[in-house]
Amino acid sequence: DGGITQSPKYLFRKEGQNVTLSCEQNLNHDAMYWYRQDPGQGLRLIYYSQIVNDFQKGDIAEGYSVSREKKESFPLTVTSAQKNPTAFYLCASSMGRGQYFGPGTRLLVL
Amino acid sequence: AQKVTQAQTEISVVEKEDVTLDCVYETRDTTYYLFWYKQPPSGELVFLIRRNSFDEQNEISGRYSWNFQKSTSSFNFTITASQVVDSAVYFCALSEVGNQGGKLIFGQGTELSVKP
Repeated sequence: DGGITQSPKYLFRKEGQNVTLSCEQNLNHDAMYWYRQDPGQGLRLIYYSQIVNDFQKGDIAEGYSVSREKKESFPLTVTSAQKNPTAFYLCASSMGRGQYFGPGTRLLVL
Repeated sequence: AQKVTQAQTEISVVEKEDVTLDCVYETRDTTYYLFWYKQPPSGELVFLIRRNSFDEQNEISGRYSWNFQKSTSSFNFTITASQVVDSAVYFCALSEVGNQGGKLIFGQGTELSVKP
């Protein structure tokens, strides 16, 4: 089945640790996005990529990094510089007709 | 500046009632897209509809209908004969052509609770 997968579903981070969230899509979409959702709020854009080997900062990129080595994959690393990482992270992909979202990863700090 | 406002934070209805979720947006662009997404308790965002700024025709899909009015910058969403399965958070979003890869600007969401 075509779609977007994110793993893990839950992720626990210790202070000072970098963690990586996976996002894979088999929809053959060029563009991919990472959003962060805090409780009771809408989503905010962290990073986006419109083509392989290229990506751009979104509105809240500080403390995060990404890579886009393959069309299908757009992993997000939450670095130790991100002081408030607890949130729900959603990955999306698009071919211009609308963004389709993965099931999300909930990141919690120990 | 771009902004999406969903003034209704929570709405509670009884099954079979009709309910309208309001969405007001701000943009300086003439070409843009508007979306509605549903977020059930599982968390995944489910795409419901995309409308471009040049198409003001209202749309109906089963029990769902959307009313787009550029004159009032509104894109309201109505559920007819609501069901318990409609309970979710609903987000309205705006996308401007050429703005950060077409990123979505979300409203705060409206939590709809449909009681049996």
